[in-house]
Amino acid sequence: DTGVSQNPRHKITKRGQNVTFRCDPISEHNRLYWYRQTLGQGPEFLTYFQNEAQLEKSRLLSDRFSAERPKGSFSTLEIQRTEQGDSAMYLCASSSQLGGLRDEKLFFGSGTQLSVL
Amino acid sequence: DQQVKQNSPSLSVQEGRISILNCDYTNSMFDYFLWYKKYPAEGPTFLISISSIKDKNEDGRFTVFLNKSAKHLSLHIVPSQPGDSAVYFCAARYGNNRLAFGKGNQVVVIP
Repeated sequence: DTGVSQNPRHKITKRGQNVTFRCDPISEHNRLYWYRQTLGQGPEFLTYFQNEAQLEKSRLLSDRFSAERPKGSFSTLEIQRTEQGDSAMYLCASSSQLGGLRDEKLFFGSGTQLSVL
Repeated sequence: DQQVKQNSPSLSVQEGRISILNCDYTNSMFDYFLWYKKYPAEGPTFLISISSIKDKNEDGRFTVFLNKSAKHLSLHIVPSQPGDSAVYFCAARYGNNRLAFGKGNQVVVIP
């Protein structure tokens, strides 16, 4: 399978706990994005990496959220001291920008559904 | 603020007929518009896109129309098939390949 892979698919945690999600992008894609989707809404941008550099963060990404992409391959999104309002689907996407061309298509993974009790 | 708006949250259509989904946007700086399809418990899947310098793009049963002066785009699915039953998201690109999404339209195709 050469698509975007996300683990785990589901995560149930208690309020106040820390959680970490992993995303493996399509191997030749140098751009990686995290989005969050809540019920009845479209996905909302959280943060973006080009290779290993985190270039942009949304104001939705509070101090409790941190994302990394060591070596420009897989990425992790960690949420510390989870709150009930963090319950959502966390989506990872990747795209390529090779030779100056901009590929407008983002390829999404199946997401991690987080439930904070 | 919702930069991409999709009204009429749900649409039911008979198999074989046309499905038309509408999308309005507010930001003139968007340079690409995309439609994504989403099944339950899966991530969005790219369907079709259109550059802001064009007014139509067609791919098989799917056609997207863009009216820049009205800041409006639409997706036509002809003929509709039961497998098309899904949530459809309109998205617009800005900045570093970031996408702003609408809230989605639920399409149900009745066999």
